[in-house]
Amino acid sequence: KQEVTQIPAALSVPEGENLVLNCSFTDSAIYNLQWFRQDPGKGLTSLLLIQSSQREQTSGRLNASLDKSSGRSTLYIAASQPGDSATYLCAVRGSVETSGSRLTFGEGTQLTVNP
Amino acid sequence: DGGITQSPKYLFRKEGQNVTLSCEQNLNHDAMYWYRQDPGQGLRLIYYSQIVNDFQKGDIAEGYSVSREKKESFPLTVTSAQKNPTAFYLCASSIDRDSSQYFGPGTRLTVT
Repeated sequence: KQEVTQIPAALSVPEGENLVLNCSFTDSAIYNLQWFRQDPGKGLTSLLLIQSSQREQTSGRLNASLDKSSGRSTLYIAASQPGDSATYLCAVRGSVETSGSRLTFGEGTQLTVNP
Repeated sequence: DGGITQSPKYLFRKEGQNVTLSCEQNLNHDAMYWYRQDPGQGLRLIYYSQIVNDFQKGDIAEGYSVSREKKESFPLTVTSAQKNPTAFYLCASSIDRDSSQYFGPGTRLTVT
């Protein structure tokens, strides 16, 4: 059964700092990996989707990498801003054969960017 | 505006009552999903539907039921058999099962 772990559980940084959020998964037979953002009491917003054949994806100040063989992904946030404060969730989609193509979520990293 | 709507935002029920959470999408997506989120835990899949009139159990389907009579609607019923129903419920949809999922704003259910 796929398990997804996110470290750290919480992170507090000063504004302007570059930071890295980590995600690891136990079964490397994945179809893709997705990073989401969740503000308190709200739904999830998709940030980046990396297919299993890709190594990284970029959107603005965000860069996500994927190392499928080692079961790891990182989300890099450049020049952090207070508006980046939220919980960041990593989700892995398994293959049809192993998991019916469903998403397995990590517990998230709660990020606070202090002005 | 295209998107996913969930209603109501907050729902309160007495123990022993069934309650139905609404999820509607106008994105013309085939696949729809229901997740449950508890504090300190990631999202857990309750039910999903890849096409109208078809749905499958997720990881925690016990005590829940769904229907998919229309493409745009996927209501979730929390029955009295669900032992710990108080949680934040999120609905999502995607073009197909392999595409990015888009989430609704969620419904917070409190059962006392």
